[in-house]
Amino acid sequence: DAGVIQSPRHEVTEMGQEVTLRCKPISGHNSLFWYRQTMMRGLELLIYFNNNVPIDDSGMPEDRFSAKMPNASFSTLKIQPSEPRDSAVYFCASSPLRSGSGNEQFFGPGTRLTVL
Amino acid sequence: GENVEQHPSTLSVQEGDSAVIKCTYSDSASNYFPWYKQELGKRPQLIIDIRSNVGEKKDQRIAVTLNKTAKHFSLHITETQPEDSAVYFCAATSYDKVIFGPGTSLSVIP
Repeated sequence: DAGVIQSPRHEVTEMGQEVTLRCKPISGHNSLFWYRQTMMRGLELLIYFNNNVPIDDSGMPEDRFSAKMPNASFSTLKIQPSEPRDSAVYFCASSPLRSGSGNEQFFGPGTRLTVL
Repeated sequence: GENVEQHPSTLSVQEGDSAVIKCTYSDSASNYFPWYKQELGKRPQLIIDIRSNVGEKKDQRIAVTLNKTAKHFSLHITETQPEDSAVYFCAATSYDKVIFGPGTSLSVIP
């Protein structure tokens, strides 16, 4: 298994532009998580899905952020319009679903986003 | 919601000494407590975890303890080596929602 795949690995864009980050979870994993990591705020959970359904998006910072999971093998995180303060490393992670209890999360390599 | 605190934020130890990182959590419903190691420029990776029905777990040089009553859990690394240098994150999980602590930057001095 190739593990969790994220693309792009690096993204540099200008303020106001739309940014789309992509994630392919490990096959057979039912849960998918999006995190943002910065020096100031650490590792923040933005949203997570179970069986393609968004369960908790309370970590999504603003309406400019949206996430979708149209099927079990693909998810996107979109920022529109982007702002310099969105600059961070965005990680996607997947996990086998274990009802009512957590399980190991497997992280992707991350997307380093820079908004100028 | 859940809040996870972690101390210390930075830790330097001599090679061969032990390192201890402590975390506290607020949500009594949390029942799964993983620890992740993140090397510079890399992704977080699980090193050990513990569930609420267990008080202690050990894997070679690393061990984790959990005190559910006090809502404390700790990571212990013995016989530290330079390759243990990294940022370590504790986390508390309730119904699949994972909240991470702010991290501890561990430096092992040769």
